[in-house]
Amino acid sequence: GENVEQHPSTLSVQEGDSAVIKCTYSDSASNYFPWYKQELGKRPQLIIDIRSNVGEKKDQRIAVTLNKTAKHFSLHITETQPEDSAVYFCAAMPLSGTYKYIFGTGTRLKVLA
Amino acid sequence: DGGITQSPKYLFRKEGQNVTLSCEQNLNHDAMYWYRQDPGQGLRLIYYSQIVNDFQKGDIAEGYSVSREKKESFPLTVTSAQKNPTAFYLCASSIRSSSTDTQYFGPGTRLTVL
Repeated sequence: GENVEQHPSTLSVQEGDSAVIKCTYSDSASNYFPWYKQELGKRPQLIIDIRSNVGEKKDQRIAVTLNKTAKHFSLHITETQPEDSAVYFCAAMPLSGTYKYIFGTGTRLKVLA
Repeated sequence: DGGITQSPKYLFRKEGQNVTLSCEQNLNHDAMYWYRQDPGQGLRLIYYSQIVNDFQKGDIAEGYSVSREKKESFPLTVTSAQKNPTAFYLCASSIRSSSTDTQYFGPGTRLTVL
């Protein structure tokens, strides 16, 4: 069935370093790929998303890259700060048909000061 | 995000009781969703609805029921058949358009079984 694998499950980086989280999806019909950040006890919040007709998208220190051939996409955070510490979820969804999102299992990012 | 509300924020249930979690949105979104999140875990889909008066089971629908009588509302009932309902419940909504497919989450309801 549809599946999104997310790695790593935990990631620790020093403040100022970069962090990369990778997701691989199984449904080739997937065309929309959002990333969510969830702080402890809070709701997931969208931080960046990308559609299949774009290979890369940036927003300040955050970027997402997409490789449709390999069916994987990655979140890149540069110049990490302690407030980047949270759980990050990737997701995949086809642009037509079902409204169902397939979420990855999450990555707990710890930025060490 | 402010357009999706969930109530109550905390809910306590005795074993054998049914409880209903409220979810309302004023974003004019077509689709609504319920997820369950256990401590340190990911998001598991319980039910989703793409249109009024229609809904589909997600991955863990057993012991739960929903209704979608109005576009703005998608209540979730946790029945006594759900063996271990203690969890954080998140409601979400989304709209399909040429410009966005973003799913927005409510603030969540934390359910504890006593």
